[in-house]
Amino acid sequence: GAVVSQHPSWVICKSGTSVKIECRSLDFQATTMFWYRQFPKQSLMLMATSNEGSKATYEQGVEKDKFLINHASLTLSTLTVTSAHPEDSSFYICSAKSGANVLTFGAGSRLTVL
Amino acid sequence: GQNIDQPTEMTATEGAIVQINCTYQTSGFNGLFWYQQHAGEAPTFLSYNVLDGLEEKGRFSSFLSRSKGYSYLLLKELQMKDSASYLCAVDSGAGSYQLTFGKGTKLSVIP
Repeated sequence: GAVVSQHPSWVICKSGTSVKIECRSLDFQATTMFWYRQFPKQSLMLMATSNEGSKATYEQGVEKDKFLINHASLTLSTLTVTSAHPEDSSFYICSAKSGANVLTFGAGSRLTVL
Repeated sequence: GQNIDQPTEMTATEGAIVQINCTYQTSGFNGLFWYQQHAGEAPTFLSYNVLDGLEEKGRFSSFLSRSKGYSYLLLKELQMKDSASYLCAVDSGAGSYQLTFGKGTKLSVIP
């Protein structure tokens, strides 16, 4: 089946630094990918829709200058958390449409900002 | 706004049947998804309903009533490995897959 690879799985960084998370569709092309954030015991919250070759569209309340999204190819989208702070610590998950009515999710990236 | 409600937790016995309900109030509707999520892992797709009725897939079935804004996920012959969170999600856009998720129902299967 379709596979979405997300890297890194875990990352710990110091406050004020930037962290990049990659999301790759391994055996299919994804013109659109989605980025979510999930806090403990909370639901997945859609942050932004990443479109290949164009600017991402952000959900209300998500700072586009803080969460930079780049979708430079049909198989890769990246999310960069800039100037990370402890409140940005969360589980970040990407997904891509891999078939009719099917979204395939990456395994997630757990970010801890010290 | 978008609102999706599902029970926070449920407990069921191995071998039994459990039904997880989901009610939704969204600005639009283009399908309802159910996902399974084990702790610390990514959600995995279980089912998709866009028309009223029951969709059966092995031990899992999902039902939708659009007029009532209601869906349920039915799990039969429960196994210990079914212990997980089950997420109800609605595509309220124009088939854009910009999903709104419920908070999930944590199911514990006991011997």
